[in-house]
Amino acid sequence: RKEVEQDPGPFNVPEGATVAFNCTYSNSASQSFFWYRQDCRKEPKLLMSVYSSGNEDGRFTAQLNRASQYISLLIRDSKLSDSATYLCVVSPTGNQFYFGTGTSLTVIP
Amino acid sequence: ETGVTQTPRHLVMGMTNKKSLKCEQHLGHNAMYWYKQSAKKPLELMFVYNFKEQTENNSVPSRFSPECPNSSHLFLHLHTLQPEDSALYLCASSQYPGQGAEKLFFGSGTQLSVL
Repeated sequence: RKEVEQDPGPFNVPEGATVAFNCTYSNSASQSFFWYRQDCRKEPKLLMSVYSSGNEDGRFTAQLNRASQYISLLIRDSKLSDSATYLCVVSPTGNQFYFGTGTSLTVIP
Repeated sequence: ETGVTQTPRHLVMGMTNKKSLKCEQHLGHNAMYWYKQSAKKPLELMFVYNFKEQTENNSVPSRFSPECPNSSHLFLHLHTLQPEDSALYLCASSQYPGQGAEKLFFGSGTQLSVL
């Protein structure tokens, strides 16, 4: 079983739409969770950490459900600049990081 | 951003060449990583160094040879590569252990093509 599984996408949404990505992880002892954003042929960049209480950063909201081993990312009021691949990342220990395959998002004018 | 600097950005090499990728982090971190990203696959961890000591070698072929002379510098020496080794190679760093959730910071990557 894969350490991290993500919706394969691609997601094509109109500007202004709300879109949600999901991710599940297999290691129940995992401690840290992140969403990264990766543009084409560029390096992944940290979008946000994910906390048990849920957290919000502007139009982005991340949720963690430890019981279901499930992470989500919600993007409201999508912008053209949100088009990218979103990577779910799970860390069981401080220097182990497992990546999902990524979900591709295209925001259409 | 200059937190993690990786060179070269692009590399084309023949199967008999020897080349090296270089990574330098300016974030004061003590853990450094090499990842490989192939098309349609998740990032694959290759090597991890904590405090200059290699703590993980993820069954990587010996044609990839890492070197970590200090906590700020990391190299990946390449020799007799195969065409299937063509991929994006990413260096990353983190603080381990950290005060709360450790985070990975990536260099811009080296797009490697093996002919």
